[in-house]
Amino acid sequence: AQKVTQAQTEISVVEKEDVTLDCVYETRDTTYYLFWYKQPPSGELVFLIRRNSFDEQNEISGRYSWNFQKSTSSFNFTITASQVVDSAVYFCALSDLNTGNQFYFGTGTSLTVIP
Amino acid sequence: EPEVTQTPSHQVTQMGQEVILRCVPISNHLYFYWYRQILGQKVEFLVSFYNNEISEKSEIFDDQFSVERPDGSNFTLKIRSTKLEDSAMYFCASSDPSDRPNTEAFFGQGTRLTVV
Repeated sequence: AQKVTQAQTEISVVEKEDVTLDCVYETRDTTYYLFWYKQPPSGELVFLIRRNSFDEQNEISGRYSWNFQKSTSSFNFTITASQVVDSAVYFCALSDLNTGNQFYFGTGTSLTVIP
Repeated sequence: EPEVTQTPSHQVTQMGQEVILRCVPISNHLYFYWYRQILGQKVEFLVSFYNNEISEKSEIFDDQFSVERPDGSNFTLKIRSTKLEDSAMYFCASSDPSDRPNTEAFFGQGTRLTVV
């Protein structure tokens, strides 16, 4: 069965600190997709990144970086030099071909960046 | 940039009333979805819709729920007799099957439903 675990419920950091949000997933499929979404206080889901299971290359986009490791079934998200605007709930999600485009979301990590 | 739009952004309804949540998916997308997020909890899958029929549904999607694509642009979620526990944020999403294997669902901004 598909499952996404975000063990960190809440994290607080001081502005300019780096922070890593953990995501561990379970799936029996060999072809799957992993996502990160940001949910600011306004409530919408903002797409951040998509990775497929065949591409383990880490990715960097500005202050954001993602570390995908199939060996540990993890897809961690790091924010470098955090800013107050990064305060939000971050969701990791999994989608695989067996379930069409259905997304399985983790329970989210609430990040608070303190000025 | 194309986007999924949902209306209304916030709806308050009395328990037992019917409510219809509306969504306009991205125009060339063919898969449509509804997800639900109870306050403070994770986003949960309700239903997916393809080729004018439900392709998958979760155990949450019981007989009180129905979906419809009444015309070429709208995709609706109806809750027949709302309960207090239906209070949640409801997200519509759409995706393009030709986008496989880079499948991605685009989410709307959500409709916050409050049942009183």
